[in-house]
This record gives sequence, structure tokens and C-alpha cells, in this order.
Amino acid sequence: KQEVTQIPAALSVPEGENLVLNCSFTDSAIYNLQWFRQDPGKGLTSLLLIQSSQREQTSGRLNASLDKSSGRSTLYIAASQPGDSATYLCAVRDNNDMRFGAGTRLTVKP
Amino acid sequence: EAQVTQNPRYLITVTGKKLTVTCSQNMNHEYMSWYRQDPGLGLRQIYYSMNVEVTDKGDVPEGYKVSRKEKRNFPLILESPSPNQTSLYFCASNKGGGGEAFFGQGTRLTVV
Repeated sequence: KQEVTQIPAALSVPEGENLVLNCSFTDSAIYNLQWFRQDPGKGLTSLLLIQSSQREQTSGRLNASLDKSSGRSTLYIAASQPGDSATYLCAVRDNNDMRFGAGTRLTVKP
Repeated sequence: EAQVTQNPRYLITVTGKKLTVTCSQNMNHEYMSWYRQDPGLGLRQIYYSMNVEVTDKGDVPEGYKVSRKEKRNFPLILESPSPNQTSLYFCASNKGGGGEAFFGQGTRLTVV
């Protein structure tokens, strides 16, 4: 059964810093990996989707990489801003199941 | 606009009173699913559906029912809600296979 782990569980950084969030998964037979952002008590906003055949995806200040063979993905956030404060979730899809990590709670201090 | 719509957004109910949370998507997606999110436990899948009239259990199906009579709708039914079903619920849809998943805005359910 697929297990998804996110490290760290929480992260606090000063504004302007570049940062990396980590996601690991136990079964490399995945269709894709998706990064989401969730504000407190709110829904999930899709940030980036990486198909299993891809190595990375970029959107603005965000860059996600995927190393399927080692079961790892990273989300890189450049020049962090207070508005980036949220919980970031990664999810892997294998067959018809989507498995989530517990998330990384990010706080960007002004 | 492509979206997944859940209703209601907030619901407080009493133990044992049947309720339905609706979910509708406008993207003609084959695959739909329900999740619950609880502090410390993350998001867990309740039920999923690969197409009309095809549903299957996820990790935590006890106490829930679903139906998929039309492609766009996937309601979640709690026949006899209990306090341990107090949670934040999300509906999601995606094209089959490796398609991007889209989530509804969530339904916060409180059972007293």
C-alpha cells in the first residue's frame, strides 16, 4: 500500500528566502504526482502536476521535480512571500487511488 | 469555468438524521471520489467511482454510501450520522488515468 511522507511537517522562514519542501513515496508505480496548497479550513488548490514520465514542472516561482525511481519529489519556492503561508500537500496517484502526505505547514514571516 | 461544486459548505446535524452532501463536476470526468480530512490523519479516501454505476470503497467507507447515476454527480450519503463523522469533506474529480485532480471547496460537517 502506497505511503506518502512529507518533510518537514512545519517550516518557518523569513520573507525572500528560497525553500524546498520534500515528498517521498514508497511505490514508484505511479501515474502522476500533484502538489496542492491549502489555506486553513479551505479547499485544495492545485499547484503543479507532474506525470510519471516527466522530471519537473514549473509555474511562476514554483518548481516541482520528480524522481520516480527513488520515490521522491521536491517543491521549490523561490523568493518566498507572506502570501505563500499555507499547508502544502503532495499526492500520488497510482491506479485509481490518490494518496496524500500529511502536509508541510509553511509560515513566511514579513 | 472548470469546477467541482459541493453543497452544502457547512452543515450541523444531529446523530442519526440522514443527510446527503452533493457533488457535481462540469468537466465530463469519468473518475470521482470523496475524502475526509481530520487533524493529524490527513486526507483519507472514502469512496471512489470510475464511471457511471461503478463505485468502490476507499480506506474509510464505514457509515457512508455513494451513488453514481449520472456522470457529473456523485453524492455522499450518511444514513445515520454519528459524532465521529464530524470532519471536513472533499469531493474530487479527474479524467481517468493520469489526469489532474480537481477538488471542491469542502463541506464542514458537524454531528452533535
